Amino acid sequence: KNEVEQSPQNLTAQEGEFITINCSYSVGISALHWLQQHPGGGIVSLFMLSSGKKKHGRLIATINIQEKHSSLHITASHPRDSAVYICAATNSGSARQLTFGSGTQLTVLP
Amino acid sequence: GAVVSQHPSRVICKSGTSVKIECRSLDFQATTMFWYRQFPKQSLMLMATSNEGSKATYEQGVEKDKFLINHASLTLSTLTVTSAHPEDSSFYICSALWAGTYGYTFGSGTRLTVV
Repeated sequence: KNEVEQSPQNLTAQEGEFITINCSYSVGISALHWLQQHPGGGIVSLFMLSSGKKKHGRLIATINIQEKHSSLHITASHPRDSAVYICAATNSGSARQLTFGSGTQLTVLP
Repeated sequence: GAVVSQHPSRVICKSGTSVKIECRSLDFQATTMFWYRQFPKQSLMLMATSNEGSKATYEQGVEKDKFLINHASLTLSTLTVTSAHPEDSSFYICSALWAGTYGYTFGSGTRLTVV
């Protein structure tokens, strides 16, 4: 069992829909990251959070430490949001390595 | 914001040659740099962790003599794929850890094709 599990694996939505991607982890973490990878391969760090909720534009990330669960929400989705969204956890150890989820391929149709 | 510049973005090389990939942190000091490999439709696989001024720590199964990592300064880390073979064709990407935090910035990646 992967230490970081994401769902769904694939998600297709119509423009304007509210989107939720879920992430569960089974290890002790120092921080939880949401990353966005575009078709060209480049990766952008969207959020880093260790508690509560963060918002940036139409993106919202939440984390529940007790339940070891995080969600990424996209409001008023747009075709340009189409990308792979990756949940990653920084372990509690000193190495600060990231453990990645398998990613969610999001396609937003016009 | 923190930017990591990765070059080249795309390289095609002949089998048996070596290829160097550079990752440079432009506006911050990267005490730790991670190198990843990614196959199509798969997640990132950590190859090695490099700390400035010390030898890189390689993950199990990654040949250190084939994937040479140098992190000679706080702003530059390089990955050299030596004697490349077609099976080394992949997407390679680096990420830099901001000193004193858990924040990461990723390079734009290098698509290596060995023919």
